[in-house]
Amino acid sequence: EIVLTQSPATLSLSPGERATLSCRASQSVDTSLAWYQQKPGQAPRLLIYDASTRATGIPARFSGSGSGTDFTLTISSLEPEDFAVYFCQQRSNWPLTFGPGTKVDIK
Amino acid sequence: QVQFVESGGGVVQPGSSLRLSCGPSGFTFPKAGMHWVRLAPGKGLEWVAFIWSDGSSEYYADSVKGRFTISRDNSKNTLYLQMNSLRAEDTAVYYCAKDKGVRYIDYWGQGILVTVSS
Repeated sequence: EIVLTQSPATLSLSPGERATLSCRASQSVDTSLAWYQQKPGQAPRLLIYDASTRATGIPARFSGSGSGTDFTLTISSLEPEDFAVYFCQQRSNWPLTFGPGTKVDIK
Repeated sequence: QVQFVESGGGVVQPGSSLRLSCGPSGFTFPKAGMHWVRLAPGKGLEWVAFIWSDGSSEYYADSVKGRFTISRDNSKNTLYLQMNSLRAEDTAVYYCAKDKGVRYIDYWGQGILVTVSS
């Protein structure tokens, strides 16, 4: 099973600041990685897939990069609605796995 | 618009069984692979199971293998998760979700709460 680790666990930032979230895989997943956003009481939302492709309707302030074992989700300028938990997910091997999440909260 | 009608959750005792159902709309269900994913209290998302669009193959997380069974009835546009030998650690919100086509998830239901407690 491919284990995903995310850092930091919590990121405290102010609106307008840049957020940089990390996801590391225990073995190479090439670019087979997605990022999801989840707010309390809501279902997750697909943001990025194939490491760097924005999903339909996702604003340009969200970007993804990386390949192999190291990946980054960047939110260029935080909007109030971006404060949430972010999960990465690999699809390279079964079983599919998610990272433990990074919570982006308001400083 | 993609929507999901999920049902079957509740409070059950350890060792019990429960069947979750999910009736999506807004896309061609018989052409979509489907997942179940769960979110336990205070924990992260955990992928549970996947079934191909035609039901020909299934995949499971190790934590549920042998206890849970994913199935579908394309004639009824319904996805199921049969959960047997439930444990306290199975307590979670269970999400029915649509595969994007390449093992990513592009649409999610609102979730069904399953509580396993004595």
